[in-house]
Amino acid sequence: QVQLQESGPGLVKPSETLSLNCSIPDDSISGFYWSWVRQPPGKGLEWIGWIYYSGNTDYNSSLKSRVTISLSTSKNHLSLKLKSVTAADTAIYYCARVLVGYNGGQKLFYLDKWGQGTLVTVSS
Amino acid sequence: QSVLTQPPSASGTPGQRVTISCSGSSSNIGSHTVNWYQQLPETAPKLLMFSNNQRPSGVPDRFSASKSGTSASLAISGLQSEDEADYYCAVWDDSLDGYVFGAGTKVTIL
Repeated sequence: QVQLQESGPGLVKPSETLSLNCSIPDDSISGFYWSWVRQPPGKGLEWIGWIYYSGNTDYNSSLKSRVTISLSTSKNHLSLKLKSVTAADTAIYYCARVLVGYNGGQKLFYLDKWGQGTLVTVSS
Repeated sequence: QSVLTQPPSASGTPGQRVTISCSGSSSNIGSHTVNWYQQLPETAPKLLMFSNNQRPSGVPDRFSASKSGTSASLAISGLQSEDEADYYCAVWDDSLDGYVFGAGTKVTIL
């Protein structure tokens, strides 16, 4: 059973950089994609981006200029950095494992394991 | 504003059947497989259905899903109190080159 756990500061000042980690159990990183998803209080889910264990990344175009996702296989953790934050970045941030495949020309892309989430508030 | 349209709410009495729709376009539902997530109150989302109509291990067969053209739907039959949750459809979108979620449907048990 893959158990993911997010960690990081719960409060970040406007214009600063939000930094979160997600611990991934030993021997679980290789061969998989990993994502971050966020959810503003009382609102819906927003995909932030993914990283493949090889280091390839892809980001939500609306956040691309501010976000970096990285993976440390030696430390078994996934990281998220979001710079120049504003109040609009206040949200619960989730890490998740992604399964990717193709069925004919159709892409299979789904998040099968999720962390419990961590609330980050942007405020001075 | 999501590119996937879901009704904001749905409801039913215990034992009834509820259906949630998810409408998209040729760049998302029309081209790729649809997934559904269940989010119980104050908890993380959980994968409920994947690849249009597949249930992960442990999901009751009361849950079913289908896709036709640029629309998809999730059905819950034999509604139970523990089904009260938010349900999100999600799919890869070629135009946005990213993964998109619907705005979510809140299911209430009357």
